[in-house]
Amino acid sequence: SYDLIQPPSVSVSPGQTASITCSGDKLGDKSACWYQQKPGQSPVLIIHEDKKRPSGIPERFSGSNSGNTATLTISGAQAMDEADYYCQACDRSSLWVFGGGTKVTVL
Amino acid sequence: EVQLVESGGGLAQPGGSLRLSCAASGFTFSFFWMHWVRQAPGKGLVWVSRVNSDGTDTSYADSVKGRLIISRDNAKNTLYLQLNSLTAEDTAVYFCVREAFQGHFDYWGQGTQITVSS
Repeated sequence: SYDLIQPPSVSVSPGQTASITCSGDKLGDKSACWYQQKPGQSPVLIIHEDKKRPSGIPERFSGSNSGNTATLTISGAQAMDEADYYCQACDRSSLWVFGGGTKVTVL
Repeated sequence: EVQLVESGGGLAQPGGSLRLSCAASGFTFSFFWMHWVRQAPGKGLVWVSRVNSDGTDTSYADSVKGRLIISRDNAKNTLYLQLNSLTAEDTAVYFCVREAFQGHFDYWGQGTQITVSS
């Protein structure tokens, strides 16, 4: 099976930049996606195909993917960005596996 | 507006069965692959199963293979998940999810809770 590893938690001060990594074997050869989930809510797609933002997702969210690591960057973090973030190998050969999730705290 | 509305969750006995449904609207259901993803209390997202657009091909996570059956009725715009031989490890919120053509999960339902307990 294919595994994706994320740090359990990341802290960031308001207005600063947070980076969340997602590591997997040759992940850069696949398409990486990112989802945001706030407590009690369903996940929301925030990045697909490594770096594309769906309509309505703020520009402060950006993504990259190379080698074995995909990265989600939140530039100018806001209190509303506190949430759990999950990466995914959006690739049918990887059986849509998710990373373990990263809790982002803005304080 | 795309909507995915799950139903059928609830309390189930160990060893029992449940059938989840997901009513889809706002898009041409028969064009899209569909998935179930679950989330145990306080835990992360886990992909469970998927079905292709016409229902002829399915796949499952190893942890549920042989106990869960995914299906769809394109005439009714509905996705199903039959869960058998339930154990406490199946306790989770189950999300119905649409896969976009590029492979990402672009729409999620609100989820339905299954609790397996005697």
